[in-house]
This record gives sequence, C-alpha cells and structure tokens, in this order.
Amino acid sequence: AQTVTQSQPEMSVQEAETVTLSCTYDTSESDYYLFWYKQPPSRQMILVIRQEAYKQQNATENRFSVNFQKAAKSFSLKISDSQLGDAAMYFCATNYGGSQGNLIFGKGTKLSVKP
Amino acid sequence: SQTIHQWPATLVQPVGSPLSLECTVEGTSNPNLYWYRQAAGRGLQLLFYSVGIGQISSEVPQNLSASRPQDRQFILSSKKLLLSDSGFYLCAWSVGHGEQYFGPGTRLTVT
Repeated sequence: AQTVTQSQPEMSVQEAETVTLSCTYDTSESDYYLFWYKQPPSRQMILVIRQEAYKQQNATENRFSVNFQKAAKSFSLKISDSQLGDAAMYFCATNYGGSQGNLIFGKGTKLSVKP
Repeated sequence: SQTIHQWPATLVQPVGSPLSLECTVEGTSNPNLYWYRQAAGRGLQLLFYSVGIGQISSEVPQNLSASRPQDRQFILSSKKLLLSDSGFYLCAWSVGHGEQYFGPGTRLTVT
C-alpha cells in the first residue's frame, strides 16, 4: 500500500528566507510520480512541482525546488526567497493505480510567512 | 487551455436531503476524473474516479455515488445526506498517470 508522510504539521519562515518542507513516501509502483500541491485560503489545490521517479535530476520551478532521494524515499520541497503569497497548506502526493492516475496525499504542512 | 468548473461553490443542506454536485472540464478529451473530500484541517480523501463514460470506481464505500454521463462531466450524488457528509469537495482531472488539476471546490454543510 502507498503511504505519504509529512512530519511537520506547521512551519514558519521569514519573508525572503528559505524553508524546506519534508515528505517521505512508500510505494509499490515501479514507475511513479511525486508532487507538491499548494492549497491557499481559497482552498483550490494548485500544482507546485512534480518529479518523475525515473529522473535523477531534481525538479525546479522558479523559486521552488525538490530534493528527491529515491533510495531513502524522501521528497522535500525547498522554497527560496519566501513571499507572503507562499503562505498556504502544502501537500505532498504520489500516484498509484497505473494509468488510473490516483493520488494519495500526505496530511499537509501549514506554512506561515512572517513579514 | 484546459479549465475545470465546479458548482455550486457553497451549499447548505438539511440532513436527509438529496445532493448533486457537478464538475465539468473543458479543453481536453477523455480525461480521468476524480472526486475528493477534505474534512476541515485534514488531507484529501479520494472518493471516486472514472477513466471513461459510465465507468466509476469507488475508493471508499459510503453514502455517496458518482456518475459520468458525458466525457467531461462528473456528478457526485447522494439520496440522503448525513451530518458526516459535510466537508469540502474537490473535483480533479488528469490525462494518464501524471499530475491532477483541481477545480475550485464546493463547500458542503449538512445541518
């Protein structure tokens, strides 16, 4: 069975600083993806970044990057130059079920950004 | 570009009343469609998914049902709502086994 664990219920960062959110996972899929989603107060889920497990290179999207450690089953998100708009819940997820594309999510980390 | 719509945005219904939430996707064909529920302060729970018209799979047996009458339309229903059905309902779509894209959600309060 697939599991996704986010061990930090809440995190705080000063504006313009860097913060890292942790995620570990377990999966029986041989070919899988990993995702970070952001859920701001509006509650719409927004895709932040994705990582294909077969790629060794860590994904990067502007100020967002991941540290993917496949052997350790770790997938952390680094936010650089944090902005007030980054304040949100962040969910880590991985897919299962092959082409069905089902996702299993962690319980989330609430990120606060201090001005 | 693809867009996903959900309505209504908010809904307050009494216990025992029926429910119908609708989700439509534009700009893509034959998407996989998903219904999730999110209780307050918690993660997302997958309720149903569909890989094609009339094909519905349930992840969690409960008081709800889903239907897909058209390629890009996904409906979540209940004949009689329970208090425990309250929550935030999100619809999502994907193509293949990659990322999912979510709609704006429906906040349901059962009183």
